[in-house]
Amino acid sequence: AQKITQTQPGMFVQEKEAVTLDCTYDTSDPSYGLFWYKQPSSGEMIFLIYQGSYDQQNATEGRYSLNFQKARKSANLVISASQLGDSAMYFCAMREGGNSGYALNFGKGTSLLVTP
Amino acid sequence: DADVTQTPRNRITKTGKRIMLECSQTKGHDRMYWYRQDPGLGLRLIYYSFDVKDINKGEISDGYSVSRQAQAKFSLSLESAIPNQTALYFCATTGTGVRGELFFGEGSRLTVL
Repeated sequence: AQKITQTQPGMFVQEKEAVTLDCTYDTSDPSYGLFWYKQPSSGEMIFLIYQGSYDQQNATEGRYSLNFQKARKSANLVISASQLGDSAMYFCAMREGGNSGYALNFGKGTSLLVTP
Repeated sequence: DADVTQTPRNRITKTGKRIMLECSQTKGHDRMYWYRQDPGLGLRLIYYSFDVKDINKGEISDGYSVSRQAQAKFSLSLESAIPNQTALYFCATTGTGVRGELFFGEGSRLTVL
């Protein structure tokens, strides 16, 4: 079964607007971490933000925030004030305790295009 | 210099050929990983290693082998490449901190004709 689900293959947003990228996850492990990565067209994987399952507050990193709704098992990424350079693929990922050597399970990604 | 370095960055090879992708890291991490990325499928784990004596299969290890030559070096081999192994391959490392994010290499794009 898919552990990480990203239901939006592609998204458009106008420059300076906010955008939410959806991510739901499936785990029975009480201890887990949720991550978002950005992959620009150049191909590298850039870590954006992390949320631990026991963290009480939503994570924020500059223009990125993670809307963590534990009961719904969702971890949506919110990008505020979009910029042209935000156009990229975005991947949600999860690490479950010590399973699989602390590897991350990735979703299939969402392609974001920021328009002028 | 990048903390995680992959070579080659691009390789075109033919069906049946042996190919090795190399990864080295300067972060001093014990945990290293090889992932494969295909369009529309995200990243999938091939192998991971905790140290030179600890090698583990991931989700899609068939057709691949790995070697952990040292703490800093982790190589991925395709003994007899086939066209459906055409993909972008990433090496990654992580430390033992609470967050445990992966640090990725720049990727190796492999095309098997």
